[in-house]
Amino acid sequence: DTEVTQTPKHLVMGMTNKKSLKCEQHMGHRAMYWYKQKAKKPPELMFVYSYEKLSINESVPSRFSPECPNSSLLNLHLHALQPEDSALYLCASSQGKGGSNQPQHFGDGTRLSIL
Amino acid sequence: AQKITQTQPGMFVQEKEAVTLDCTYDTSDQSYGLFWYKQPSSGEMIFLIYQGSYDEQNATEGRYSLNFQKARKSANLVISASQLGDSAMYFCAMRGPNAGKSTFGDGTTLTVKP
Repeated sequence: DTEVTQTPKHLVMGMTNKKSLKCEQHMGHRAMYWYKQKAKKPPELMFVYSYEKLSINESVPSRFSPECPNSSLLNLHLHALQPEDSALYLCASSQGKGGSNQPQHFGDGTRLSIL
Repeated sequence: AQKITQTQPGMFVQEKEAVTLDCTYDTSDQSYGLFWYKQPSSGEMIFLIYQGSYDEQNATEGRYSLNFQKARKSANLVISASQLGDSAMYFCAMRGPNAGKSTFGDGTTLTVKP
């Protein structure tokens, strides 16, 4: 079983809906990440939180809004998404600030479909 | 800037045989980490093995070993005694000294034949 838990596992939503993806880890990691992954492609970094502060935003459209309520939780709020936003959304965490020797631990992902 | 190249889009291996998945990298950083991840069709990315740029010994984790050749900038993954459950996509990744970013290769799809 993965140590990073993502909910829901599957989400289908219309373009006008508002929904949230949730991610939780209890490994004491202080860096958390959101990735977007299209089929048969590598994951693309969206956001990085380090010690609950947003440290990297990879020019993600504002219809994606991240939130880190505490050191264990990471949310991704979705609003007015487009069909091209359909993808697998992966959450990950790593120790400390996420230095070069720290592997990332990933959740199972949320498969998002936009109608 | 960092770059990871995986030149094998797909690989086939017979069950119980060994297989090598290629990974070359490019970076201007002196300190960096190299990682391999496995992604089954279910979607979860599973961390397999890590090699630090200053590590002199090749990393090993069970049936996985990393053939690190620093001068050639290569970090190939060797899977010994392949099992059907090894069928998955494999990503090579790199992290530099600064917090946050990992650079991923395009991945190699491994199929283990019975």
